[in-house]
Amino acid sequence: GEDVEQSLFLSVREGDSSVINCTYTDSSSTYLYWYKQEPGAGLQLLTYIFSNMDMKQDQRLTVLLNKKDKHLSLRIADTQTGDSAIYFCAESISNTGTASKLTFGTGTRLQVTL
Amino acid sequence: NAGVTQTPKFRILKIGQSMTLQCTQDMNHNYMYWYRQDPGMGLKLIYYSVGAGITDKGEVPNGYNVSRSTTEDFPLRLELAAPSQTSVYFCASTDGSGRGETQYFGPGTRLLVL
Repeated sequence: GEDVEQSLFLSVREGDSSVINCTYTDSSSTYLYWYKQEPGAGLQLLTYIFSNMDMKQDQRLTVLLNKKDKHLSLRIADTQTGDSAIYFCAESISNTGTASKLTFGTGTRLQVTL
Repeated sequence: NAGVTQTPKFRILKIGQSMTLQCTQDMNHNYMYWYRQDPGMGLKLIYYSVGAGITDKGEVPNGYNVSRSTTEDFPLRLELAAPSQTSVYFCASTDGSGRGETQYFGPGTRLLVL
């Protein structure tokens, strides 16, 4: 079955690094995603990683994937107040010609304090 | 290029009433999705479509219907509204390339059933 778990809340000080963690259960996942949701808005894709990669870096964002432990993390360097939002991880099973369906975690609320 | 648009933004329904949530995308995407997001939860897939005339059930389809007569539009119908359908509804679309494809989300429709 598919199940994606995240911790509910994380508070960090502005300028520090944030690490948001996610565990998933479906070993056939091919892509894993991080989405950001700001208050009253839809989800915005931040980054994704292919399952044969261990790490992906994109400016202030670093994604680490441990396939053995089915663990995904998102590190935000130099966290800013504008990073305050809910972060969702999601997994996608390989597209076999049908719609690529995502299973979302419950989301982690990141609070950035001054 | 408006992306994915949804109407209305907010609606209050009485139990037993019906309504249609509208979703339109102008990116010529074949794949479209409807999700619901309950408080403190991740997104659950209601229905999806891989192209005009083709729809399929997601994880939580009961109480909903969809149609896809054009590439651009993917309306979601609630026939007999129930309090359990109080939620925020998101429509999304993607090109279906299957290579880390991005699902583009609309801003959401907040529905309250009383």
